[in-house]
Amino acid sequence: RKEVEQDPGPFNVPEGATVAFNCTYSNSASQSFFWYRQDCRKEPKLLMSVYSSGNEDGRFTAQLNRASQYISLLIRDSKLSDSATYLCVVTTSGGYNKLIFGAGTRLAVHP
Amino acid sequence: DTAVSQTPKYLVTQMGNDKSIKCEQNLGHDTMYWYKQDSKKFLKIMFSYNNKELIINETVPNRFSPKSPDKAHLNLHINSLELGDSAVYFCASSQADRGDRREQYFGPGTRLTVT
Repeated sequence: RKEVEQDPGPFNVPEGATVAFNCTYSNSASQSFFWYRQDCRKEPKLLMSVYSSGNEDGRFTAQLNRASQYISLLIRDSKLSDSATYLCVVTTSGGYNKLIFGAGTRLAVHP
Repeated sequence: DTAVSQTPKYLVTQMGNDKSIKCEQNLGHDTMYWYKQDSKKFLKIMFSYNNKELIINETVPNRFSPKSPDKAHLNLHINSLELGDSAVYFCASSQADRGDRREQYFGPGTRLTVT
């Protein structure tokens, strides 16, 4: 079983749609959780951290359910510029900042 | 100003050759990383250095040898290149003791093609 699992997509949605991505992780001792965004042929960039209480950044809302080992990302009012691959990321417990990446979910927003 | 830079951006070489990729960060971070992203876009950590000390060494062939001459630089040398080494290699950096957030900043990647 992969340490971080995501639906690869692609999710094809029209502008203005709301879209949700899910992610599960296998290590119950994982400590930190993130969503990174990767544009085609570019480097990954941090989109947002994910906190236990849930957090929002503009049109983006992230949720964490530690009991179910489940992370979600909700994008409201999708823009063409949201088209990218969204990477679910967890860090291992103890020691240094080792990021474990999911394979990513591809989002394509069309006019 | 580029925060994390890598050279070269593209590298095409033949099997059996030895090549190096260089990485530099000007963020003042104390931890640097090498990641490999294969053809299926799966991003996986290879190595990490904290203050020039190797702290993460994943299951990577001995042909891959990282070197960190100082906190701001982390190079990757690859001996006897194989077809399966073709991938995009990303360098990243972070500040290890910045609490829970510990964002990693990635370089633009080096696209290695082995023929």
